Amino acid sequence: EPEVTQTPSHQVTQMGQEVILHCVPISNHLYFYWYRQILGQKVEFLVSFYNNEISEKSEIFDDQFSVERPDGSNFTLKIRSTKLEDSAMYFCASSESAFNGYTFGSGTRLTVV
Amino acid sequence: QQQVKQSPQSLIVQKGGISIINCAYENTAFDYFPWYQQFPGKGPALLIAIRPDVSEKKEGRFTISFNKSAKQFSLHIMDSQPGDSATYFCAASKTGGGADGLTFGKGTHLIIQP
Repeated sequence: EPEVTQTPSHQVTQMGQEVILHCVPISNHLYFYWYRQILGQKVEFLVSFYNNEISEKSEIFDDQFSVERPDGSNFTLKIRSTKLEDSAMYFCASSESAFNGYTFGSGTRLTVV
Repeated sequence: QQQVKQSPQSLIVQKGGISIINCAYENTAFDYFPWYQQFPGKGPALLIAIRPDVSEKKEGRFTISFNKSAKQFSLHIMDSQPGDSATYFCAASKTGGGADGLTFGKGTHLIIQP
């Protein structure tokens, strides 16, 4: 079964440092997303991406966040200057169309120290 | 208005019993209601989803019941098994989860006792 692949599985970074989280969506999918889940809490929408541009973003997705699809297969989330409260699981997801449920990756656990 | 309220927070069911998890939403523009299952250390996995044009959808042991007038939907797991022990999230969106993001409930930690 096709999978969404995320790397690394765990990232530890110093507060104020930049991190890039990597995702390889399912190959024929056209819509891409980032969500985050703070430990023990609900999954929260960050951003959706379609046709090489952001479709929608939440209030959480402020200027410190950016997304990119640099080479047609990878989909990255950059956090420019990490804060302690950015510590969370970050999930990438993709979907074939706007009307199908999407597939989540296994997540990257980001720990900011 | 974007909230999805989920209950209970945790649930313990005996093996073979019926597990019932409830969700309520406020935004009448929502038209797609999926349920996700999440095991520790894994991402959420789509379990079953419903649109408001039907009141019930069944897939195997999993059934969604949908009440549009009450703005409520629920997940029923029949003949619950220990392997069903996981965290379950309801969610909602204005489209099929395409350009718009999903709004998730806070999750239900389900334990099936053997």
